[in-house]
Amino acid sequence: EAGVAQSPRYKIIEKRQSVAFWCNPISGHATLYWYQQILGQGPKLLIQFQNNGVVDDSQLPKDRFSAERLKGVDSTLKIQPAKLEDSAVYLCASSPVGGYRSYEQYFGPGTRLTVT
Amino acid sequence: ELKVEQNPLFLSMQEGKNYTIYCNYSTTSDRLYWYRQDPGKSLESLFVLLSNGAVKQEGRLMASLDTKARLSTLHITAAVHDLSATYFCAVESGTYKYIFGTGTRLKVLA
Repeated sequence: EAGVAQSPRYKIIEKRQSVAFWCNPISGHATLYWYQQILGQGPKLLIQFQNNGVVDDSQLPKDRFSAERLKGVDSTLKIQPAKLEDSAVYLCASSPVGGYRSYEQYFGPGTRLTVT
Repeated sequence: ELKVEQNPLFLSMQEGKNYTIYCNYSTTSDRLYWYRQDPGKSLESLFVLLSNGAVKQEGRLMASLDTKARLSTLHITAAVHDLSATYFCAVESGTYKYIFGTGTRLKVLA
């Protein structure tokens, strides 16, 4: 079974530029998460999708961050414009719903963003 | 709002020694997870604890959950260098929503 795929793995941009990250979850996983992990901290949930609907985006800075999950599969997370404090690793995770071990999350390798 | 705290934040220990990492959380939850993260890597699931009194063991690591005390422990037995990593607990808050702890950075010295 293929794992959660993310791209790019690394990205360096200047402040005020825009950037987009892509995530492909494990096949059949209905729930998809985007987390922000700042160096030295635990992951913080940004947005949670179930199929193509948003379940929770309460911690997403909506003035600059947006996310979508078209057709309930792949997802993109966009930042526009980026700030220095957005430097972090952006982790995508997925989990099945309603099936065996539906409560477990499977994490992708992450995208390390550096904003200069 | 659910808060999850771990202690210690940093732990340096000698090989062969035992130690315990603590994870406290502020509101009721019946599911708790432990993850390991190596530097520059993603999170690897270690344990899923699904009910009060649950205990799971894998190699030199043992995790337990006390939902009444809102406390989970990760016990390390006879530490080896390969266990050096950052360990996170995560608590389920609402349906399939997870709040992560601050992390414990473990360094095992030879």
